[in-house]
Amino acid sequence: AQSVTQPDIHITVSEGASLELRCNYSYGATPYLFWYVQSPGQGLQLLLKYFSGDTLVQGIKGFEAEFKRSQSSFNLRKPSVHWSDAAEYFCAVGAGGANNLFFGTGTRLTVIP
Amino acid sequence: SAVISQKPSRDICQRGTSLTIQCQVDSQVTMMFWYRQQPGQSLTLIATANQGSEATYESGFVIDKFPISRPNLTFSTLTVSNMSPEDSSIYLCSVDSAESSYNEQFFGPGTRLTVL
Repeated sequence: AQSVTQPDIHITVSEGASLELRCNYSYGATPYLFWYVQSPGQGLQLLLKYFSGDTLVQGIKGFEAEFKRSQSSFNLRKPSVHWSDAAEYFCAVGAGGANNLFFGTGTRLTVIP
Repeated sequence: SAVISQKPSRDICQRGTSLTIQCQVDSQVTMMFWYRQQPGQSLTLIATANQGSEATYESGFVIDKFPISRPNLTFSTLTVSNMSPEDSSIYLCSVDSAESSYNEQFFGPGTRLTVL
């Protein structure tokens, strides 16, 4: 069965600092991987996705993620965090034909001035 | 990407009552999904709604508690029946991407439900 682990419940970074949010997945085949962001009181917005090909994917708002099959990871990165990046971040894995997404428990990002 | 709206955006309800949440999409989509996000938790899929057929419910969710309608390719409703405080959650509607077959989904803004 598919599963997603986000080991960090809460991360605090200073504005301008770099950011890495961790995501590990469990799935027998090549996964479809996603990062979503949820700002307070909002729905989920898709940041980026990986289906195949280049393992480093670029997303919106300056985010990128790298798929590492050997580590079953899909970590999200940003070189310089802005105060507006404060939000909840969810990693999700798709199981192909099941048309379902499995979500991690989320990482809450706090940005301090 | 699809533009999705939900009504109501939030509501406060009394125990024992029911609330129907609407989800409207600006384009025709094959599959619509309903998720629950309990306070401080991640998203849990309630059911998948296909037009013209019964919704498919995930383990732990039943039709009597969460009846779903899908009358056409742009609209769906989720009813939370006989509510209790444990039903206080954010309920999110999502749709599959017409351009992708890789489980890509777009989400509505959610309905924040508080049950007293």
